[in-house]
Amino acid sequence: DTGVSQNPRHKITKRGQNVTFRCDPISEHNRLYWYRQTLGQGPEFLTYFQNEAQLEKSRLLSDRFSAERPKGSFSTLEIQRTEQGDSAMYLCASRSTGTGELFFGEGSRLTVL
Amino acid sequence: AQSVTQPDIHITVSEGASLELRCNYSYGATPYLFWYVQSPGQGLQLLLKYFSGDTLVQGIKGFEAEFKRSQSSFNLRKPSVHWSDAAEYFCAVGTNAGNMLTFGGGTRLMVKP
Repeated sequence: DTGVSQNPRHKITKRGQNVTFRCDPISEHNRLYWYRQTLGQGPEFLTYFQNEAQLEKSRLLSDRFSAERPKGSFSTLEIQRTEQGDSAMYLCASRSTGTGELFFGEGSRLTVL
Repeated sequence: AQSVTQPDIHITVSEGASLELRCNYSYGATPYLFWYVQSPGQGLQLLLKYFSGDTLVQGIKGFEAEFKRSQSSFNLRKPSVHWSDAAEYFCAVGTNAGNMLTFGGGTRLMVKP
């Protein structure tokens, strides 16, 4: 499979715990994006990387959220001290420079109890 | 800042009937416009995109969309809907050929047999 891969697909956690999601983009894509989608809403931009550099962060990305892409390949999104409001689908997407199409993964669904 | 409005939250059409999903955007410069489709539990798949040129763009699965600058609209159409088209459809506007897409709230399409 050469698409965008996200793990885990589902995560149930208790409030206050930390969670980490991983995204493996399409291998030749240098840009990687994280979006959050709550039920009944469209995806909201969180952050994006060009290679290993994090170039933009949304104000939605509170201090409890951190994203990394250490070697310019896979990326992780960590949420510390989870809250019930963090329950959402976290979508990863990638693209190559010069093209407009974002290729999305199937998402990681987080449920905070 | 850009924004996207999809006025119809739910639409139900009969199989074989024509379809039009509305999208209005707000953006100060020339917009890059996209339509994505999302089936339950799946990621988003690009249907079509508009960057410049011909204002009527063709996409996959028999969909087309027309960019109307005077109306700030980018409506999605299909002449004959199939049951497999039932899904959620998202319109998005982007800057710089697709960086940092802003999505609308989505339109859920149901298809009656």
